[in-house]
Amino acid sequence: DTGVSQNPRHKITKRGQNVTFRCDPISEHNRLYWYRQTLGQGPEFLTYFQNEAQLEKSRLLSDRFSAERPKGSFSTLEIQRTEQGDSAMYLCASSSYEGRGNTEAFFGQGTRLTVV
Amino acid sequence: AQTVTQSQPEMSVQEAETVTLSCTYDTSESDYYLFWYKQPPSRQMILVIRQEAYKQQNATENRFSVNFQKAAKSFSLKISDSQLGDAAMYFCAYTGNNRKLIWGLGTSLAVNP
Repeated sequence: DTGVSQNPRHKITKRGQNVTFRCDPISEHNRLYWYRQTLGQGPEFLTYFQNEAQLEKSRLLSDRFSAERPKGSFSTLEIQRTEQGDSAMYLCASSSYEGRGNTEAFFGQGTRLTVV
Repeated sequence: AQTVTQSQPEMSVQEAETVTLSCTYDTSESDYYLFWYKQPPSRQMILVIRQEAYKQQNATENRFSVNFQKAAKSFSLKISDSQLGDAAMYFCAYTGNNRKLIWGLGTSLAVNP
């Protein structure tokens, strides 16, 4: 399978615990995006990387959230001291950015986080 | 800031008939792309169709076509010969210079047999 892969698919955690999600993009893609989606809503942008550089971070991303993309390959999204409001689907997408001209963003199946 | 508006939270269509989903957007950029994504109950986003703003010709992909009205900032999706498998959430999305996607709230499409 050469698509975007996200792990785990589901995560249930107690409030206050830390969680980490992983995203493996399509191998030749240099851009990687994280979005958050709650039920009945469209995805909200969280952050994105071009190669290993984190180019933008949404104001939605409090300092409890951190994302990394070491070596420009897979990415991790960590949430520290989880709160019930963090319960959502976390979507990862990747694309190939080559200056002007946009290519399709391919999405993973998401990680559903439930904070109890 | 760019915004995307989908004014139809829910739509329904009879199998084999045609349905149009509406989307409007706001931007001051001249170079941008518009997309329609489909999200079935499995929750994986799938690209349905893409339109480059500099192209006047409306994009088509098999049973899916768009009506892109740049001056009106309107980008509607037409689904012809609707099939049961078309039932899903449909999201309109915009991307500009920074390439991140700005999303509408979605339209839930039901297809009635």
